[in-house]
Amino acid sequence: DVKVTQSSRYLVKRTGEKVFLECVQDMDHENMFWYRQDPGLGLRLIYFSYDVKMKEKGDIPEGYSVSREKKERFSLILESASTNQTSMYLCASCGWRQIYEQYFGPGTRLTVT
Amino acid sequence: TQLLEQSPQFLSIQEGENLTVYCNSSSVFSSLQWYRQEPGEGPVLLVTVVTGGEVKKLKRLTFQFGDARKDSSLHITAAQPGDTGLYLCAGEDTGNQFYFGTGTSLTVIP
Repeated sequence: DVKVTQSSRYLVKRTGEKVFLECVQDMDHENMFWYRQDPGLGLRLIYFSYDVKMKEKGDIPEGYSVSREKKERFSLILESASTNQTSMYLCASCGWRQIYEQYFGPGTRLTVT
Repeated sequence: TQLLEQSPQFLSIQEGENLTVYCNSSSVFSSLQWYRQEPGEGPVLLVTVVTGGEVKKLKRLTFQFGDARKDSSLHITAAQPGDTGLYLCAGEDTGNQFYFGTGTSLTVIP
């Protein structure tokens, strides 16, 4: 079974802090994604990566950056956390030709105070 | 602009009832997926449909892709409390763009 793990299930940070969210997948998937999920807004794509060291902006990249130094690991960075970044963050991965069959991690519930 | 509109947004039913959830778009999709997300967890893929008119069954769940590949439905027969969750449709359009719908939150009351 595909396993996607995220570094934390719950995280509380203060405004202005730098926040790192890590995601690891064990299926040798080429594609990895970061989404945020907010009530009434659904899943919104922040960034995705289709290969090591490659990244593409999604729909809402402002205030975020990403890093993919190894194929199995995709990190989301909030350079200076703000209260409007309080959300559920979901990581996903899929194979090269299976963009529509994404496997998700359990999510990180981030609260910025 | 939301490319995939789901309805209803919220649904609360009694155990044993049947229900249908809809996913509609004005765009044509190459494929369409349904996911279920339980509270506090990430979405889990249930099914992929790729052919217009296609019907797939997964135990008590029946998924249908519209003939024109612009819409889909999920029908649950004899709902159980374990069906409670957020149901998300998602799809890849003919321009290879991938979208998620806003979701339908289902609560099945024992």
